[in-house]
Amino acid sequence: ETGVTQTPRHLVMGMTNKKSLKCEQHLGHNAMYWYKQSAKKPLELMFVYSLEERVENNSVPSRFSPECPNSSHLFLHLHTLQPEDSALYLCASSQDHTTGLPYEQYFGPGTRLTVT
Amino acid sequence: GDSVTQMEGPVTLSEEAFLTINCTYTATGYPSLFWYVQYPGEGLQLLLKATKADDKGSNKGFEATYRKETTSFHLEKGSVQVSDSAVYFCALRTDKLIFGTGTRLQVFP
Repeated sequence: ETGVTQTPRHLVMGMTNKKSLKCEQHLGHNAMYWYKQSAKKPLELMFVYSLEERVENNSVPSRFSPECPNSSHLFLHLHTLQPEDSALYLCASSQDHTTGLPYEQYFGPGTRLTVT
Repeated sequence: GDSVTQMEGPVTLSEEAFLTINCTYTATGYPSLFWYVQYPGEGLQLLLKATKADDKGSNKGFEATYRKETTSFHLEKGSVQVSDSAVYFCALRTDKLIFGTGTRLQVFP
């Protein structure tokens, strides 16, 4: 399944670095999501974009900055991260965020981030 | 608020054993219910879903029935294979998608 791709797959960065995660969906969807997956914790929704506008931001620290230039691409810009930010970052897309229909989210493989 | 509770893992089974992974939910409205699976090194994949009470979702030999009276959506499979080893997530959706913590399944030959 290559509907949602993420790069890089693995990233190691120091606390003073700046890096970006990239997500691309080839499914014709118009909503995209960033999730954080940490060991032994529920999946945490970070950001939601619908029709390229941010519709949800779940109290995520400002050191994470999302960007959605078009409906197919989503970025997560990272700067001044902390070791506790080490996790698997998952991107997802769906057909529609707003209609209330039981839409399905399609996930990418994730970027494994380690902050040293 | 809305929430999903799954049984803690890991669940360890021999090949061809019967599988049940329990999932219960709390929701104020009438949620849709989902099971997602995450294989090692991959993202989450939708396994099955049910949108209303008494619906049964099924896929790849897995089944789950939406039980409104017990607020449950337990995942079952009659005969597991080694290739079913993965982490399974129960989820509900009202206005947003909410996941449980996941249950790791390990199947040994």
